[in-house]
Amino acid sequence: KAGVTQTPRYLIKTRGQQVTLSCSPISGHRSVSWYQQTPGQGLQFLFEYFSETQRNKGNFPGRFSGRQFSNSRSEMNVSTLELGDSALYLCASSLQWTGGSSGANVLTFGAGSRLTVL
Amino acid sequence: QKEVEQNSGPLSVPEGAIASLNCTYSDRVSQSFFWYRQYSGKSPELIMSIYSNGDKEDGRFTAQLNKASQYVSLLIRDSQPSDSATYLCAVRSGRGGSQGNLIFGKGTKLSVKP
Repeated sequence: KAGVTQTPRYLIKTRGQQVTLSCSPISGHRSVSWYQQTPGQGLQFLFEYFSETQRNKGNFPGRFSGRQFSNSRSEMNVSTLELGDSALYLCASSLQWTGGSSGANVLTFGAGSRLTVL
Repeated sequence: QKEVEQNSGPLSVPEGAIASLNCTYSDRVSQSFFWYRQYSGKSPELIMSIYSNGDKEDGRFTAQLNKASQYVSLLIRDSQPSDSATYLCAVRSGRGGSQGNLIFGKGTKLSVKP
């Protein structure tokens, strides 16, 4: 069973550019969550998509956006890149929306996309 | 106030010893708690989940939860050099628009010396 696949794995951009990252969840998983990981702030929640709808959103500016397609694949976009956007962007999938039940919805992470902004 | 706090370490233990990792959280309505392990340059992987007060054991790992004290811990028995990694505590949020998403601590770096 294939895991969570993220592309590209590494990318370098310059300030002001935009970037699109892709995430293919585990087959059968319908929820995709995105996290930003930096040495100073750790893992910070960006947003979660389930059934093509954003269900949760973290405390990030509107430059960060995402979407989910009918096959559960998700993309996130960062516009007008800033130096501080340099980070590892992690995608995680789960069977159901993480807030939809009191039970566990285990997150399985992909390998991440490492973004460097120059 | 940070929502999930962990000692950043590094925590250094000799091989074969018990490693004790601690985590406190601020949201009293949180119901689900997780420990993830992250090797350097890799993504986090789930090693334990716990939902009820008390202990939960899985092999060499034991998770402990005390909701009254808002405290979660992870014990690793017979620590091995391969356990050297950063351990992330995660709490499922129970409030408002972010209900359900996992909030992570910054992690504790564990080093097991041969």
